[in-house]
Amino acid sequence: DGGITQSPKYLFRKEGQNVTLSCEQNLNHDAMYWYRQDPGQGLRLIYYSQIVNDFQKGDIAEGYSVSREKKESFPLTVTSAQKNPTAFYLCASSIDRGGSYEQYFGPGTRLTVT
Amino acid sequence: QKEVEQNSGPLSVPEGAIASLNCTYSDRGSQSFFWYRQYSGKSPELIMSIYSNGDKEDGRFTAQLNKASQYVSLLIRDSQPSDSATYLCAVTYNGKLTFGQGTILTVHP
Repeated sequence: DGGITQSPKYLFRKEGQNVTLSCEQNLNHDAMYWYRQDPGQGLRLIYYSQIVNDFQKGDIAEGYSVSREKKESFPLTVTSAQKNPTAFYLCASSIDRGGSYEQYFGPGTRLTVT
Repeated sequence: QKEVEQNSGPLSVPEGAIASLNCTYSDRGSQSFFWYRQYSGKSPELIMSIYSNGDKEDGRFTAQLNKASQYVSLLIRDSQPSDSATYLCAVTYNGKLTFGQGTILTVHP
């Protein structure tokens, strides 16, 4: 059963704590992405990785960090430097179908920081 | 200037009608165009992709692309209450997807 899994579904943290969100895929996709979605907003790109051991900053990378040690896994750490971390976090993956970059999303993690 | 623009709606249509969702984009070099459906509290689901000018049909959905006008649209025929969701337009440029803010569609019985 192929797909993208994210855990946990809901996460609560105190301000000042770092937190790591998990993203795993068994689709054999090369590229993986992290987005953030705020209420009533579109998706904003945080980080992306097109190959193992390499990743690039997206539009809103400040306060976040990632690693890509395995093709299947792309965890996102929300650090205490992120000023407004409460949001819906979405992981996606894609395979380059002749440059199409169709992306498929995991179920998301809803992070609340108080 | 936003790179991908959509009317946020809400767009309300009666059951059985055609829903028309529109999107404009700013980068003339954009290569691929997608429509995602997002139900409240859920993640986006890819429903249509289109790469060349013209129409592409898939069941009740038709995507239309006009690169000269930098315009992409989604038509939903015979709209059902289950189509009520937010529809996100996404455009690829240089390997990255840029999303619009989404259009809320409500189909009322």
